[in-house]
Amino acid sequence: EIVLTQSPGTLSLSPGERATLSCRASQSVRNSYLAWYQQKPGQAPRLLIYGASSRATGIPDRFSGSGSGTDFTLTISRLEPEDFAVYYCQQYGSSPRTFGQGTKVEIK
Amino acid sequence: QVQLVQSGSEVKKPGASVKVSCKASADTFPSYGISWVRQAPGQGLEWMGWIRVYVGDTYYAQKFQGRVTVTTDTSTTTAFMELRSLRSDDTAVYYCATMTSVVTYAFEMWGQGTMVTVSS
Repeated sequence: EIVLTQSPGTLSLSPGERATLSCRASQSVRNSYLAWYQQKPGQAPRLLIYGASSRATGIPDRFSGSGSGTDFTLTISRLEPEDFAVYYCQQYGSSPRTFGQGTKVEIK
Repeated sequence: QVQLVQSGSEVKKPGASVKVSCKASADTFPSYGISWVRQAPGQGLEWMGWIRVYVGDTYYAQKFQGRVTVTTDTSTTTAFMELRSLRSDDTAVYYCATMTSVVTYAFEMWGQGTMVTVSS
């Protein structure tokens, strides 16, 4: 089973700042099948990034993903008020599909 | 765009079973597969298993093997997840999500979630 470790656990930033979230895998993620999801309280997760770097439909270009192998990054170039949420990475290249424990991006 | 609508919240006693449904809004299942994910209160996301919609083969996380069954009814574009021998730590929100080749089988569309409470 691939274990995903996200860091930091909490990121305290102000609107307009840049957010950099990390996701490290315990072994290489096949085909870079790494996704990022955003979840707000009381809502279902929303797909942001798939294949490590492709934006899902309707996702603003301030969200970008990068990385390969075992190290992946989600970058939010300029935080908007609606971006404060919890972010999860997920690998879906092998079974079981696994999620990271999440990074909370909160308003400073 | 396809929407997934899940059945309503459930309260079950320990040892009972629960069956959650997930209906796709399209006339046909637009998905390659449907996954099920759960989230305990205040916790992260946990993948349970998935089904290849038009083939019917299933894949489960080892943790749930023998206790979960995922099925689909393509005539009604509805997926089902049944969890048996419920325990208090099965209390969670259960989500279904589509897997399509468009997004390389990431979880593109999600249902609204179904709260399952296990309590005596």
